[in-house]
Amino acid sequence: DSGVTQTPKHLITATGQRVTLRCSPRSGDLSVYWYQQSLDQGLQFLIQYYNGEERAKGNILERFSAQQFPDLHSELNLSSLELGDSALYFCASSAQGGRPTEAFFGQGTRLTVV
Amino acid sequence: QKEVEQDPGPLSVPEGAIVSLNCTYSNSAFQYFMWYRQYSRKGPELLMYTYSSGNKEDGRFTAQVDKSSKYISLFIRDSQPSDSATYLCAFRDNYGQNFVFGPGTRLSVLP
Repeated sequence: DSGVTQTPKHLITATGQRVTLRCSPRSGDLSVYWYQQSLDQGLQFLIQYYNGEERAKGNILERFSAQQFPDLHSELNLSSLELGDSALYFCASSAQGGRPTEAFFGQGTRLTVV
Repeated sequence: QKEVEQDPGPLSVPEGAIVSLNCTYSNSAFQYFMWYRQYSRKGPELLMYTYSSGNKEDGRFTAQVDKSSKYISLFIRDSQPSDSATYLCAFRDNYGQNFVFGPGTRLSVLP
């Protein structure tokens, strides 16, 4: 158990809809990262938050947005969903200190858009 | 040139074999090197983490880093069917906030 919790585990929704994925980082970790992994594809970095503020952005679509709350949990919002958005969405967290540390991943949310 | 290159496999080996997984990278700013294991449709699990050239051993796993050649390897000794998974190399620099992942190598260990 990595200590990173993602909910829900599975989500099935229709095209055009909006969904929210939730991530609770490991206790004490200030950074949260979101990744998308399509079938048989690598991890695509979407966005990173650090202590409530956006820190880095990857290939995140304009239809997607995220935020990190004061209690450090994060939500990824996906809107106007398309069939191609079907993927595994992973959240990872890492501590921030004097030296960069490794990332720990949650078990992911499997999104199916029908 | 891609920032990280990794042979996608699939790589099939018999049980008990020594497995060598490799990644090359082009960004000389990378200072932190990681290997993750991902079972099918599960979250990546950290296997090894190092920040210096040389070898680091943990049980049946050895991570090797050669910064001068921009090359990292993961060796698995006495491979087991339970090692069948996708292995991802990952990198981080001192200043960047993101992790850069390789595309992964799919490994099958046959009983």
